[in-house]
Amino acid sequence: GAGVSQTPSNKVTEKGKYVELRCDPISGHTALYWYRQSLGQGPEFLIYFQGTGAADDSGLPNDRFFAVRPEGSVSTLKIQRTERGDSAVYLCASSLYGELGLDTQYFGPGTRLTVL
Amino acid sequence: AQTVTQSQPEMSVQEAETVTLSCTYDTSESDYYLFWYKQPPSRQMILVIRQEAYKQQNATENRFSVNFQKAAKSFSLKISDSQLGDAAMYFCAYMYTDKLIFGTGTRLQVFP
Repeated sequence: GAGVSQTPSNKVTEKGKYVELRCDPISGHTALYWYRQSLGQGPEFLIYFQGTGAADDSGLPNDRFFAVRPEGSVSTLKIQRTERGDSAVYLCASSLYGELGLDTQYFGPGTRLTVL
Repeated sequence: AQTVTQSQPEMSVQEAETVTLSCTYDTSESDYYLFWYKQPPSRQMILVIRQEAYKQQNATENRFSVNFQKAAKSFSLKISDSQLGDAAMYFCAYMYTDKLIFGTGTRLQVFP
């Protein structure tokens, strides 16, 4: 019964570099979500996976951001050519996703990304 | 577009007392979920309580209860018998279909 896990816990990178953030959802959860939380703000939606496919990527800010979930479990959020404005906590959540499509999301501890 | 507003950036309460955190939201939908999440300094968002919009009865989880006023689009959280461990950021969130929409949060301080 492990919860959602995210690695690394903290990531410091230089402007222009490429980073990957990993999320391991609760076992058996088919839905996976990525959110970004800037300092002093609530989390903002980035992308939602149902199984292996991205069902809604409307929150991705631009084409430097990309996420995959190739086997329907672990997901990786990829950020190319990082900018200082990308500095934030990146949160991952998963849910069981019942037929009604409205279900509680359980969050991981987040990855704090700092772009110097 | 759906929005969630938390008008209290900070609140404080004495240990063992009761405090109420406010939340309002805007939507044209009739069936949705509302949540309160707690975020301690460890960053992990912890579910406190959830309310289905079609249910008239207010949700309760031990010391935590909500006052859900659907017509007024209000969803406040009451914490009874406050404990030092309740100190954290509290976020109200709305969900319709897939994504959660969060408010800006209320920082709750608990004094002994």
